[in-house]
Amino acid sequence: SAVISQKPSRDICQRGTSLTIQCQVDSQVTMMFWYRQQPGQSLTLIATANQGSEATYESGFVIDKFPISRPNLTFSTLTVSNMSPEDSSIYLCSVGINYGYTFGSGTRLTVV
Amino acid sequence: ELKVEQNPLFLSMQEGKNYTIYCNYSTTSDRLYWYRQDPGKSLESLFVLLSNGAVKQEGRLMASLDTKARLSTLHITAAVHDLSATYFCAVDSAFRDDKIIFGKGTRLHILP
Repeated sequence: SAVISQKPSRDICQRGTSLTIQCQVDSQVTMMFWYRQQPGQSLTLIATANQGSEATYESGFVIDKFPISRPNLTFSTLTVSNMSPEDSSIYLCSVGINYGYTFGSGTRLTVV
Repeated sequence: ELKVEQNPLFLSMQEGKNYTIYCNYSTTSDRLYWYRQDPGKSLESLFVLLSNGAVKQEGRLMASLDTKARLSTLHITAAVHDLSATYFCAVDSAFRDDKIIFGKGTRLHILP
């Protein structure tokens, strides 16, 4: 299975600012997935990031709020823009390899 | 739209007892995943079930898949305190776009 390095592991941010989360994978993958996990809740898919094309966003998530970059087959970033306290969550990236899905260690975001 | 339902959502049980967590899903899919999440941690892959009738076991946990009934079970045998965690099932999207949809999770608390 793949190994994913995700950073930062946690951050406390001021309302109205933006935070960029990075994920680095130790192997080349076509698709990377970004999830949000609100406190005490399950994982909700934000978007799928393909290298060389625009990310595909799920219902309820928009590019202006969650811009994603995918410059190559091993790296992606998710930006949480113009943050509000409602954005306080854990954000996780994931990749699928050989019928399994591996998750990054997560970024715990608190917006104050 | 694919829906994944888990039950129960909360389970408190005594050590040494057996119990089963159920995962139902709404559309055709033949790949199902079970994950464990400890508080403040990312997701740990437990089982990948790839075909109807698949059964996998690891220690006190056993998972099975019935694609005709659209049902997977995670059975816990002689529970121990270390198994306390949140367990998620996830199912492949029927559109084969490689994204997986999560159930709400089962928060398991095993009393010593």
